[in-house]
Amino acid sequence: SQKIEQNSEALNIQEGKTATLTCNYTNYSPAYLQWYRQDPGRGPVFLLLIRENEKEKRKERLKVTFDTTLKQSLFHITASQPADSATYLCALVGRSNFGNEKLTFGTGTRLTIIP
Amino acid sequence: DAMVIQNPRYQVTQFGKPVTLSCSQTLNHNVMYWYQQKSSQAPKLLFHYYDKDFNNEADTPDNFQSRRPNTSFCFLDIRSPGLGDAAMYLCATSRGRNRGLYEQYFGPGTRLTVT
Repeated sequence: SQKIEQNSEALNIQEGKTATLTCNYTNYSPAYLQWYRQDPGRGPVFLLLIRENEKEKRKERLKVTFDTTLKQSLFHITASQPADSATYLCALVGRSNFGNEKLTFGTGTRLTIIP
Repeated sequence: DAMVIQNPRYQVTQFGKPVTLSCSQTLNHNVMYWYQQKSSQAPKLLFHYYDKDFNNEADTPDNFQSRRPNTSFCFLDIRSPGLGDAAMYLCATSRGRNRGLYEQYFGPGTRLTVT
């Protein structure tokens, strides 16, 4: 069955360091992969989208890589700040039971940046 | 600012008592989604509308219904809430149907408690 796995443990990173979050998937051939940020009690907020033919995407302090051979995406936050503390969700397009594309989310990684 | 609005933010209902959650958007997006998210879990897609075309996920219980009277508004009806339906309900929109290509814009969510 299709599966998306993110760092199951919470991640604590010292302020100023680079935080790296992992998203692994099995039994998917996603054409796109998205990353979202979710703060407690709030809806997810879109951050970045990467296509299967793109190896890397950057936006300000954020970088996403997508390795379709390893079936893995890495999400990096450089020069991390306490305001970056949140849960980060990866999401892939899979196939629903009706054959339509469906965006499926991972359970997320809770990131805490320690001052 | 263009946005996705959900009302109410918190809803308490009794076991078996019908409840309606509402969502409105000022983004003029074609697609609207309803997700259920339980604590520390991934958002789970319940159904979506592409314009007036309703698409139900195969594993969405019959207890959950939806209405979209116009482009701006979408409602989630839970006909007979059970204790297991207590969750955060998230409304989202996107510009187009290709869910990988287009990011989703989420509302703040409605936290449903069933007593």
